[in-house]
Amino acid sequence: QQQVKQSPQSLIVQKGGISIINCAYENTAFDYFPWYQQFPGKGPALLIAIRPDVSEKKEGRFTISFNKSAKQFSLHIMDSQPGDSATYFCAASRGGTSYGKLTFGQGTILTVHP
Amino acid sequence: DAGVIQSPRHEVTEMGQEVTLRCKPISGHDYLFWYRQTMMRGLELLIYFNNNVPIDDSGMPEDRFSAKMPNASFSTLKIQPSEPRDSAVYFCASSVGANVLTFGAGSRLTVL
Repeated sequence: QQQVKQSPQSLIVQKGGISIINCAYENTAFDYFPWYQQFPGKGPALLIAIRPDVSEKKEGRFTISFNKSAKQFSLHIMDSQPGDSATYFCAASRGGTSYGKLTFGQGTILTVHP
Repeated sequence: DAGVIQSPRHEVTEMGQEVTLRCKPISGHDYLFWYRQTMMRGLELLIYFNNNVPIDDSGMPEDRFSAKMPNASFSTLKIQPSEPRDSAVYFCASSVGANVLTFGAGSRLTVL
């Protein structure tokens, strides 16, 4: 019940295209859903996060869509740029003092071609 | 702010040796987390502290692993004795109120 399943494992997109990464979770107690971006040799960095009381959150070119009934959420990167090439992780956690106790997806390696 | 500082960045050791990884969290952060990243298991939480007190160590794989936080500005993760399957990147992260984790750059451990 603690799993977060992420797809695809890898994604190749042309510059200017839309990148879409999907995640599904099982534990209905999860109520915090962040996305992290990781560049080679660096630690993950928070990109955007959502809580289940909203169905969508947008920050610049990055949008999270959340479907509570389906227990799924996705990251959309609009106008993808070569600088977006990185590994993306979805994650989930319970609330309160457990926000940082994250269960991560397996990651998606995004490559944006110029 | 220098962010979360981890040392060493790279460690190569032989099976059976003791390994100590170090972390300096961001000043003022009251939560500290140790995560491990491997190809097979991805990113997984090992242990986390609140105000220097261990809160949840259920992710620590076995008794060979131990973590301490003697003060608000320093934590260690120790593996004794180390085994080849411990090879991974170990990340330390800190936060205010267990929210918005800031990760360090990681310590890459190779056990031969």
